[in-house]
Amino acid sequence: AQTVTQSQPEMSVQEAETVTLSCTYDTSESDYYLFWYKQPPSRQMILVIRQEAYKQQNATENRFSVNFQKAAKSFSLKISDSQLGDAAMYFCAYMGSNYQLIWGAGTKLIIKP
Amino acid sequence: NAGVTQTPKFQVLKTGQSMTLQCAQDMNHNSMYWYRQDPGMGLRLIYYSASEGTTDKGEVPNGYNVSRLNKREFSLRLESAAPSQTSVYFCASNPLGGFGADTQYFGPGTRLTVL
Repeated sequence: AQTVTQSQPEMSVQEAETVTLSCTYDTSESDYYLFWYKQPPSRQMILVIRQEAYKQQNATENRFSVNFQKAAKSFSLKISDSQLGDAAMYFCAYMGSNYQLIWGAGTKLIIKP
Repeated sequence: NAGVTQTPKFQVLKTGQSMTLQCAQDMNHNSMYWYRQDPGMGLRLIYYSASEGTTDKGEVPNGYNVSRLNKREFSLRLESAAPSQTSVYFCASNPLGGFGADTQYFGPGTRLTVL
């Protein structure tokens, strides 16, 4: 069975600086998708970025980028120029051939003004 | 285009009471999902419906039933609520088979407390 591990329960960063959130996963599949979702205090689950495993190029979305290491089964999220609005829980998730999402436990990101 | 909507937003039940959580999507998606989120944990899949007329169990189905009423609506029923079902419940949908089939879109969640 697939698993997703986020080893950092909480991270903090100074506003305008860069922070990296870690995620590792375990799977025997070769084709799959990986996601980072953001959950602010409003509870809404918001897609931040997605990566298709067959693509070697790392996904980027404005200030958000990933470091996808397929052989190491690692999928970290880098947030550049951190803003107060980035404060939230961040969840890493895996989707394999059955289209079901497997979630990590989340990392709470605190932004210091 | 409202996306995925859920009702109610909040609910308090007594042990043994029943209730139905409603979910609807207006994106013409084929697949719909029900998750629960407990403190300190990621989401866990309760039930899903890959297409209209089909439902399947997820990771934590015990104590729940679902109905895929039509392509738009997917309801979750608690027949006899227990305190262990206190959680935040999320509904989600994805196209499955089309462009962006891998991305799930989430509703705003329902906070359920069972006393």
